[in-house]
Amino acid sequence: KNQVEQSPQSLIILEGKNCTLQCNYTVSPFSNLRWYKQDTGRGPVSLTIMTFSENTKSNGRYTATLDADTKQSSLHITASQLSDSASYICVVSDRGSTLGRLYFGRGTQLTVWP
Amino acid sequence: EADIYQTPRYLVIGTGKKITLECSQTMGHDKMYWYQQDPGMELHLIHYSYGVNSTEKGDLSSESTVSRIRTEHFPLTLESARPSHTSQYLCASSASSYEQYFGPGTRLTVT
Repeated sequence: KNQVEQSPQSLIILEGKNCTLQCNYTVSPFSNLRWYKQDTGRGPVSLTIMTFSENTKSNGRYTATLDADTKQSSLHITASQLSDSASYICVVSDRGSTLGRLYFGRGTQLTVWP
Repeated sequence: EADIYQTPRYLVIGTGKKITLECSQTMGHDKMYWYQQDPGMELHLIHYSYGVNSTEKGDLSSESTVSRIRTEHFPLTLESARPSHTSQYLCASSASSYEQYFGPGTRLTVT
């Protein structure tokens, strides 16, 4: 069964600190992996997209890594800001259909305190 | 920021009422999607469309219906709302299977 598991479920850090969020998946055949940021009451916004051949991709203070062999990804946030408080969702797409079916994790709820 | 819009943003309605959630995009994307999301849970695909006059049901069974008469417009309708329909509904669009752009969502509460 295609699944996406994220950890931790929730995380509280102090402003200025770094943190790393984890994503494990069993989706096959793998197409790409995306990290989205979803603010409360808003739609998800894409942070990074990585294909099979990409190991690392950065977007400002966000750096995502992908290990396609172990089917694991991480999202590292550097020098956190209050505006980073949000849910971070890992989404994996398969190659098995023209729709590009997406499999969503439940997200990690990050809270940044001043 | 993607040009995809949803209205209303919030809706509180009584049981048995008919409602339509609007979704529009100005990017000319062929593919559009409706997702349902409960608090702390993953998004579930309930409807999708490959283009005009094309609609399909998603992974999660839903009593809602959709239509795609124009490329830019993908409304979702509930003929008779029930408390079990209380949820957040997210619309998305894409030009390919590589990227989906999400709207801001509609928070529906059925009393």
